[in-house]
Amino acid sequence: DVKVTQSSRYLVKRTGEKVFLECVQDMDHENMFWYRQDPGLGLRLIYFSYDVKMKEKGDIPEGYSVSREKKERFSLILESASTNQTSMYLCASSSPDYNSPLHFGNGTRLTVT
Amino acid sequence: AQTVTQSQPEMSVQEAETVTLSCTYDTSENNYYLFWYKQPPSRQMILVIRQEAYKQQNATENRFSVNFQKAAKSFSLKISDSQLGDTAMYFCAFMRGGANNLFFGTGTRLTVIP
Repeated sequence: DVKVTQSSRYLVKRTGEKVFLECVQDMDHENMFWYRQDPGLGLRLIYFSYDVKMKEKGDIPEGYSVSREKKERFSLILESASTNQTSMYLCASSSPDYNSPLHFGNGTRLTVT
Repeated sequence: AQTVTQSQPEMSVQEAETVTLSCTYDTSENNYYLFWYKQPPSRQMILVIRQEAYKQQNATENRFSVNFQKAAKSFSLKISDSQLGDTAMYFCAFMRGGANNLFFGTGTRLTVIP
């Protein structure tokens, strides 16, 4: 089974802090994704990466950046956290075959105070 | 642009009964894939079922089946013999053919009542 691990289940940060959310997958998947989940809005794509050092903006990239230095690891960075970034963040990975299902981690619930 | 609409924010069903969750989508694409994901309280998103748009036959996975109406752009999920473990958020999602990322609906919270 694919395992996608997010390093923190809960995180509390202060406004203005730089925040790193880490995600690791163990299936040698090329594709990795960061989604944000909010009540009433579903999941929205922030960034995705289809290879090491490659990244593509999703639907809501503003205020976020990403890093993919190794194939198994995909980091989401909040350069200066704001209260409107309080949310659930979900990482996912998939094989390079088109239209493969995504495999998700357990999510990180981030609170920015 | 793709949109996915789930018009039922919450639903409930008695244990052992059948329930249908609705999903509609809007796209100009002819080649695409549709998914239902389940998110239990543990927060782990789990793939329930997948449907290729070019297949007329509705996908089935054990107690889970879909009613895919391509012309109506409708993709409902039927859960038969509901179990307490089916209590979860259910998300409908769209993937364009030849792509890798998903567009999600807003979700339906399903509660199975003992």
